[in-house]
Amino acid sequence: EIVLTQSPGTLSLSPGERATLSCRASQSVSNNYLAWYQQKPGQAPRLLIHGASSRATGIPDRFSGSGSGTDFTLTISRLEPEDFAVYYCQQSGSLPRTFGRGTKVEIK
Amino acid sequence: EVQLLESGGGLVQPGGSLRLSCAASGFIFSDYAINWVRQAPGKGLEWVSSISGSGGSTYYADSVKGRITISRDNFKNTLYLQMNSLRVEDTAIYYCAKGPSAVAGMGRGWFDHWGQGTLVTVSS
Repeated sequence: EIVLTQSPGTLSLSPGERATLSCRASQSVSNNYLAWYQQKPGQAPRLLIHGASSRATGIPDRFSGSGSGTDFTLTISRLEPEDFAVYYCQQSGSLPRTFGRGTKVEIK
Repeated sequence: EVQLLESGGGLVQPGGSLRLSCAASGFIFSDYAINWVRQAPGKGLEWVSSISGSGGSTYYADSVKGRITISRDNFKNTLYLQMNSLRVEDTAIYYCAKGPSAVAGMGRGWFDHWGQGTLVTVSS
């Protein structure tokens, strides 16, 4: 099973700042099948990025994904008030599909 | 517009059974794999099970294998999750989530649309 480790656990930032979230895999993710999701309290997760760097439909271009192999990054270039949420990475290169434990982006 | 609507959650005693449903609309149901993902209260996300577009291939997390069965009715555009021998640790919100293709195994296995979830509580 591929274990995904997200860091930091919590990121305290102000609106307008840049957010950099990390996801490290315990082994290489096949074909970079790494996705990122945003989840707000009381809501279902929303797909942001798939294939490590492809934005999902309707996702603003301030969200970008990068990385390959075992190291992946989600960057939010300038935080908007609606971006404060929990972010999860997920791999589907092998079964079982696994998620990271999440990074909470909170208002400083 | 893609819509997924889960139902069937509730309170059940340990060892009991429950069947969840997920009604889909807004896309050609049989063209896409569908998945169940759960989230225990205050915890992270856990993949539970996946089924291919045809229903011919199914996959399960080790934590539920042998106790849970995923199935689909492509005429009714509905996904099911039959849950038996339920444990306290199965308590969670269960989401159905659509995949990007008909394939349910390794590969293009992200979740591009999610329902709002149904809460399953296992408690005596």
